[in-house]
Amino acid sequence: GEDVEQSLFLSVREGDSSVINCTYTDSSSTYLYWYKQEPGAGLQLLTYIFSNMDMKQDQRLTVLLNKKDKHLSLRIADTQTGDSAIYFCAETPFSGGYNKLIFGAGTRLAVHP
Amino acid sequence: NAGVTQTPKFQVLKTGQSMTLQCAQDMNHEYMSWYRQDPGMGLRLIHYSVGAGITDQGEVPNGYNVSRSTTEDFPLRLLSAAPSQTSVYFCASSQESTGMGEQYFGPGTRLTVT
Repeated sequence: GEDVEQSLFLSVREGDSSVINCTYTDSSSTYLYWYKQEPGAGLQLLTYIFSNMDMKQDQRLTVLLNKKDKHLSLRIADTQTGDSAIYFCAETPFSGGYNKLIFGAGTRLAVHP
Repeated sequence: NAGVTQTPKFQVLKTGQSMTLQCAQDMNHEYMSWYRQDPGMGLRLIHYSVGAGITDQGEVPNGYNVSRSTTEDFPLRLLSAAPSQTSVYFCASSQESTGMGEQYFGPGTRLTVT
């Protein structure tokens, strides 16, 4: 079946790097995503990676994809207090046909001074 | 553009009551979907639509109905509310039904069933 797993909490000091990890089960997934949810708000797409890529960099964000291990990570460089939020990993399994996202439970990132 | 809007923001229902959660988007997106978010779990897909007049079930469709009479609107109906439907509900839309279609989420409706 399709399943996405993430650790639930991460605490980092302001200025340090944060690494949020995710594992998924569906090897046919074409796209993998990172969404951010701030308190009381909906989800917002942070970045995505196509399954034939190993890495994608977008300003402070670096996404690494290891297809062999079905492991996805999000690195946030120079983490700021404004980065405190819940981060969701999601995949689009090919078997879905349409854009049916399968989400992990979310990782709550707490940034402290 | 207002993006994706949802009403109401909060709702309390008694067991057995029915209600409709409203969702609208003004981006002319063909794909719309409803998710529920429960503590310690990711968002789970309830129903989705790939265009006006076309809907299909997601992962957790029981107890919910949808219809899509226009491109803009995608209401979610709870037929007979149960405490297990206490959750935060999110509507989302994307321009395309397949491929890398960024999904835009509404702000959510927090529903409590007593």
